[in-house]
Amino acid sequence: EVQLVESGGDFVEPGGSLRLSCATSGFTFDDYAMHWVRQAPGKGLEWVSGIGWNVDNIDYADSVRGRFTISRDNDENFLYLQMDSLRAEDTALYFCAKDSGRYTYGYSAFDLWGRGTMVSVSS
Amino acid sequence: DIQMTQSPSSLSASVGHRVTITCRASQDIANYLAWYQQKPGKVPKLLIYDASTLQSGVPSRFSGSGSGTDFTLTISNLQPEDVATYYCHKYNSAPLTFGGGTKVEIK
Repeated sequence: EVQLVESGGDFVEPGGSLRLSCATSGFTFDDYAMHWVRQAPGKGLEWVSGIGWNVDNIDYADSVRGRFTISRDNDENFLYLQMDSLRAEDTALYFCAKDSGRYTYGYSAFDLWGRGTMVSVSS
Repeated sequence: DIQMTQSPSSLSASVGHRVTITCRASQDIANYLAWYQQKPGKVPKLLIYDASTLQSGVPSRFSGSGSGTDFTLTISNLQPEDVATYYCHKYNSAPLTFGGGTKVEIK
């Protein structure tokens, strides 16, 4: 079955750290770019970060650059998001999303989404 | 950075009617635009990519058009199951920005 399953979300105090994981299955993971997208409670979608299929390109939203680090393990078919210096405004449901472009240099639309993992930042 | 402006932010229409949602990019993005549907409590679902290509399995009452800076998602013959929030999304270059969303309800 083709699926993405996120984990690692938790309650954390401002300034803290979390590492999110996305377990993938049912497709050739290292053929595709992958992304993290977040959605604050009651709000819209916000792209957070993307990583190319061969890690040739890594990009971040301005709101997280310098605090978050995206990575992937193409042997174990996992996507990660290391989140440091967390702020209250990082509180959101974090989705892992698969890029639809295979072996593409840039990015394409997202054709597969996980159910998300919740991150809550509060003192 | 390129901004994506969706309108309206919400709408209400009768079953069977035609609904149009617009998305405007602050700069030319060619046809690097997708539309997603997110039903309440559910995960976003890809409807349209490359501005006008229907994703496999999506009903043909959904269609997309436009290029450059102005784009449209049309739902012809609105159905009760189409109640959702719809987002446009540009992916020509980072940052990959989403529009603010359009909430569609049944009148």
